[in-house]
Amino acid sequence: NAGVTQTPKFQVLKTGQSMTLQCAQDMNHNSMYWYRQDPGMGLRLIYYSASEGTTDKGEVPNGYNVSRLNKREFSLRLESAAPSQTSVYFCASSVVLRDPIGTEAFFGQGTRLTVV
Amino acid sequence: DAKTTQPNSMESNEEEPVHLPCNHSTISGTDYIHWYRQLPSQGPEYVIHGLTSNVNNRMASLAIAEDRKSSTLILHRATLRDAAVYYCILRGGNRDDKIIFGKGTRLHILP
Repeated sequence: NAGVTQTPKFQVLKTGQSMTLQCAQDMNHNSMYWYRQDPGMGLRLIYYSASEGTTDKGEVPNGYNVSRLNKREFSLRLESAAPSQTSVYFCASSVVLRDPIGTEAFFGQGTRLTVV
Repeated sequence: DAKTTQPNSMESNEEEPVHLPCNHSTISGTDYIHWYRQLPSQGPEYVIHGLTSNVNNRMASLAIAEDRKSSTLILHRATLRDAAVYYCILRGGNRDDKIIFGKGTRLHILP
């Protein structure tokens, strides 16, 4: 049981290049998320997907696109990378808890992206 | 989204209890209080959550004020491994709700 797996772990891009960050979870969770975390800052939600086939914008969606390929996989695409997108990107999936109702989210180890 | 307010940082001595406060004065009746923490160079991890009653688990305790406008995460005996950023998050009961993080409290543990 690997949990949430992100690839790659590190990436350097030149301004204007494109790339896709991959995320897969093996816990059969419905909800998945993409966050970015700039140095010394909290996490900001980019996009999330409540179920297979649905995606919604988060707090900072500009410059990104996502695909919920199936229940397991949720990818994040940068079409034309900019230095402002230098950050650590985290993918997460979540399960509903009972008694009381809540949410436990599981995070990947992150992708460290540098755009030069 | 209802907002939370936490101190930017706190210090505690090793092997002593730690009380991490969170204010959420605009909480609605359907918001659940969640706490996550982020260890250095790792993704966040779930700690505990509750609605109205105090909650205990193997990691921590959550004390919720009677009016639910504030809560406190209690680490009963801090260790060096508890040094992390702790996030207090409100989330509705709808399973489709997004999870929004604030700035959190950076907890320093002194040996």
